[in-house]
Amino acid sequence: DTAVSQTPKYLVTQMGNDKSIKCEQNLGHDTMYWYKQDSKKFLKIMFSYNNKELIINETVPNRFSPKSPDKAHLNLHINSLELGDSAVYFCASSPGREQPQHFGDGTRLSIL
Amino acid sequence: GIQVEQSPPDLILQEGANSTLRCNFSDSVNNLQWFHQNPWGQLINLFYIPSGTKQNGRLSATTVATERYSLLYISSSQTTDSGVYFCAVSDYKLSFGAGTTVTVRA
Repeated sequence: DTAVSQTPKYLVTQMGNDKSIKCEQNLGHDTMYWYKQDSKKFLKIMFSYNNKELIINETVPNRFSPKSPDKAHLNLHINSLELGDSAVYFCASSPGREQPQHFGDGTRLSIL
Repeated sequence: GIQVEQSPPDLILQEGANSTLRCNFSDSVNNLQWFHQNPWGQLINLFYIPSGTKQNGRLSATTVATERYSLLYISSSQTTDSGVYFCAVSDYKLSFGAGTTVTVRA
């Protein structure tokens, strides 16, 4: 029944590793997003896809690569993890651009 | 980009009290949304309110787009209202304020 689901909820890994976070929405929405929330709770958009097309790509290192196999899924792959990547990553979706956004529960990424 | 300022940064309330949170933004926006992040970290969309007034139970919000501000009212606060309230505005992307941390004491 979960509208926007992210896996895993927690990810603990070592510097230099590669990891992926998956996101799926069952709301029938066209637009999906990735956000990063830092330790001070500041939320910043990273990417947005509309119908599988990348429409927002903020200043994010190329180690971060989003992939949208279909409009219900948006995954985030991170290469060569660094200490500064430790944060909570949120996936969100909306019916279309400039519409109300619904968030997943977040993935807490900790880099050792 | 658009600047979003929220005030106050922190608010401590006694259960049953009313309060007002403010969000100022620096430019014209396409939409404005209020979110509540509960103590478990979940982000809940409270209002989508580019202009006008909306009510949802004990919460209501007003946005005056021409004057570039929005207000969130919490009435008869309950301990479950604790958490961080974020205002977010969009020109082409959603930009979040730093949030107001609300603590409601029993």
